[in-house]
Amino acid sequence: NAGVTQTPKFQVLKTGQSMTLQCAQDMNHNSMYWYRQDPGMGLRLIYYSASEGTTDKGEVPNGYNVSRLNKREFSLRLESAAPSQTSVYFCASSESTWQNYEQYFGPGTRLTVT
Amino acid sequence: AQSVTQLDSHVSVSEGTPVLLRCNYSSSYSPSLFWYVQHPNKGLQLLLKYTSAATLVKGINGFEAEFKKSETSFHLTKPSAHMSDAAEYFCVVSDLNSGGYQKVTFGIGTKLQVIP
Repeated sequence: NAGVTQTPKFQVLKTGQSMTLQCAQDMNHNSMYWYRQDPGMGLRLIYYSASEGTTDKGEVPNGYNVSRLNKREFSLRLESAAPSQTSVYFCASSESTWQNYEQYFGPGTRLTVT
Repeated sequence: AQSVTQLDSHVSVSEGTPVLLRCNYSSSYSPSLFWYVQHPNKGLQLLLKYTSAATLVKGINGFEAEFKKSETSFHLTKPSAHMSDAAEYFCVVSDLNSGGYQKVTFGIGTKLQVIP
């Protein structure tokens, strides 16, 4: 099992450019999540998908959109990148959104917006 | 409101000495609590979790944590630090939001340095 995979690993964008971060999991999990990690701020939830066909906003959704393509895949799109979106992005999955299920994380995408 | 406080942003220990990483939480519900570890340029890996069973939880790599409801704490310990333990550690609280979905809050992390 590969677990949770993310592409790309690194990306540099100019302000105003768009891009999509891809995430896939092979654990047959129902729920998937996108986080951003910034120094001194821990991880903050951008969007999540409790199950295939549903998506909901997290703590910091502005400037992002998501698509739950199927049960395996959950993508994050930046329509018009801004320097404030420079961050490390992590995708995660879990069996369920019930509170005691742990999340499994991908290796991250390091994004720089200039 | 749910919150997590990791009391130390950096902890430095000598190899072979005990590790203590402190975490306090607040939650209006009976939460689940987790510790994750992140090695440099890697994703997060689950160390251990508490889900209302035994209050002393054992995890991987010799780590354990004790849930103390009266103190709203979930400190992470290890009897003897190893060089490979140098990483960043995140305390996480999870309960349910008003819609019945999991609400997860991460602490800001504690960087553990292990000195040879």
